[in-house]
Amino acid sequence: DTGVSQDPRHKITKRGQNVTFRCDPISEHNRLYWYRQTLGQGPEFLTYFQNEAQLEKSRLLSDRFSAERPKGSFSTLEIQRTEQGDSAMYLCASSFDRGTSMNTEAFFGQGTRLTVV
Amino acid sequence: AQSVTQLGSHVSVSEGALVLLRCNYSSSVPPYLFWYVQYPNQGLQLLLKYTSAATLVKGINGFEAEFKKSETSFHLTKPSAHMSDAAEYFCAVSISGTASKLTFGTGTRLQVTL
Repeated sequence: DTGVSQDPRHKITKRGQNVTFRCDPISEHNRLYWYRQTLGQGPEFLTYFQNEAQLEKSRLLSDRFSAERPKGSFSTLEIQRTEQGDSAMYLCASSFDRGTSMNTEAFFGQGTRLTVV
Repeated sequence: AQSVTQLGSHVSVSEGALVLLRCNYSSSVPPYLFWYVQYPNQGLQLLLKYTSAATLVKGINGFEAEFKKSETSFHLTKPSAHMSDAAEYFCAVSISGTASKLTFGTGTRLQVTL
């Protein structure tokens, strides 16, 4: 396994268009996270899944954003009617969590850089 | 709610000099603290983590950090900087020891000069 994979690495889109990003986590990982990182800032939590269930969504995730993990494996993040403020790096991470383990680690992908023009 | 503050958005050190990157946290419950490194156009890599065991935590690439409850700090250090350490460093806090939702600081860019 080569780690968390994100596709595409870069996306340029016109304002108002819809975009979809894909994340393939490490195969045995049951948790998957989406973060957004804008220039000069640290990553901000968007949402996470335990298997196929979406357990938490940040208030940053407006109704234009939707994330799915249909079979508990890969995940997609869709942004509808993109705005210039959506320009950012979108990071995916995964981990294996038994619920009681104190030594889990989130492994991050290389991110998808979105530019809205 | 929990948060972290990283003092200094840019730090410059000479090769071979001590690296000190500062992180202070705020948490209403005992925190779990992490340091991540990000190289240009790359994702984040975990350097080390504090999960309420030993207060001095050793990580990869010669980095270590000390949890000081009285100072609410978790500063990252390395005795001797190497050119390959140049990167962005992020401190993060979680209220769970698991890899659940992380709250990151704004990052510190480390520059290493000859």
